[in-house]
Amino acid sequence: GQSLEQPSEVTAVEGAIVQINCTYQTSGFYGLSWYQQHDGGAPTFLSYNALDGLEETGRFSSFLSRSDSYGYLLLQELQMKDSASYFCAVGPTGGGNKLTFGTGTQLKVEL
Amino acid sequence: DAMVIQNPRYQVTQFGKPVTLSCSQTLNHNVMYWYQQKSSQAPKLLFHYYDKDFNNEADTPDNFQSRRPNTSFCFLDIRSPGLGDAAMYLCATSRGYEQYFGPGTRLTVT
Repeated sequence: GQSLEQPSEVTAVEGAIVQINCTYQTSGFYGLSWYQQHDGGAPTFLSYNALDGLEETGRFSSFLSRSDSYGYLLLQELQMKDSASYFCAVGPTGGGNKLTFGTGTQLKVEL
Repeated sequence: DAMVIQNPRYQVTQFGKPVTLSCSQTLNHNVMYWYQQKSSQAPKLLFHYYDKDFNNEADTPDNFQSRRPNTSFCFLDIRSPGLGDAAMYLCATSRGYEQYFGPGTRLTVT
């Protein structure tokens, strides 16, 4: 089976940098994605790594190392609105662009 | 704006009473998904459609069924809801690697 592990909770202060890690035990996937979900809201796409290395999108960066079965999401210049749950996901695997989601990390940004 | 729409946003049903959740999309994506998400957990894929081809996850209970009459609409039918089926149900679409989620329907079973 496929499993992706994330820390359950991370706390950081406004303006800081935080890294959310994702370790996985799976193979045969096309890429690693990250989704953000605010309480009561829908997941929204943040980034996608098809290749090893760093992808940067504004304040958010994401990294993938297939040889280490590891990825992370880096959030810079944290803002209060970044308080949310963050999920890594691998896929597509198999047909139909299926994603397998990680356990999720709740990020709390404090003043 | 192109989007994924779910109705209703909140649904209350009685134990054992069939319920249908609806999803529509204006993105014209060929893949649609239904996820179940319980509090503080990751979304769990129930099934997905690649065009009209239906794909059921191995651990999706038989109590859950789905219909996709056309590209734009997809329905989730819960034949006999139990208390354990109370959750947020998320519909999503994709064309490539990015999935677009609707706002979800929060189902309460009394």
